[in-house]
Amino acid sequence: ETGVTQSPTHLIKTRGQQVTLRCSSQSGHNTVSWYQQALGQGPQFIFQYYREEENGRGNFPPRFSGLQFPNYSSELNVNALELDDSALYLCASSLFLAGGIDTQYFGPGTRLTVL
Amino acid sequence: AQTVTQSQPEMSVQEAETVTLSCTYDTSESDYYLFWYKQPPSRQMILVIRQEAYKQQNATENRFSVNFQKAAKSFSLKISDSQLGDAAMYFCAYWGGSQGNLIFGKGTKLSVKP
Repeated sequence: ETGVTQSPTHLIKTRGQQVTLRCSSQSGHNTVSWYQQALGQGPQFIFQYYREEENGRGNFPPRFSGLQFPNYSSELNVNALELDDSALYLCASSLFLAGGIDTQYFGPGTRLTVL
Repeated sequence: AQTVTQSQPEMSVQEAETVTLSCTYDTSESDYYLFWYKQPPSRQMILVIRQEAYKQQNATENRFSVNFQKAAKSFSLKISDSQLGDAAMYFCAYWGGSQGNLIFGKGTKLSVKP
């Protein structure tokens, strides 16, 4: 059983640029959630994807967008990068059950630095 | 809205001793789950333990156990026989039936002294 993987590990961008982060979910999981973790803080929910559709969104502007593919992998896209977007971006996969979502398992994260 | 509070920014424990990390939460839901995640310097968030709110019995995973007080909305983590590898950030998280995302506290940094 393979765990959640993310790429790249680190990324440096300049203000105004666009970035794409990638996540492969754990085998058997059908739901992907993305979180932003600023330094010294707990993760904040960005959005979640289930069956290739957005299934919930946190308090993030529209320049944060995502995709989920038929193999349940996912992308997080951020346009017009701002300095405050510098953070660790975590992807978590889970299995959507009838009573709700099962435990979320996290990838190692992508560290994004915006200069 | 649901909130999770971890009131101890940092804790320290001697190797082989026991330490308890505190977490309180606020919710109006009756059905929910609570989690403790560990984040070592490698950054990967690792599940430590999970508690279903409808279960009265406290969850246990080897050296890790919780004290779940539903009426008080308290969910503390006890680590017994602490090991150097337990040093990490520990996050308490809430998941309710009305939303699909986890709500995290700000974390507690645990140091283990040899």
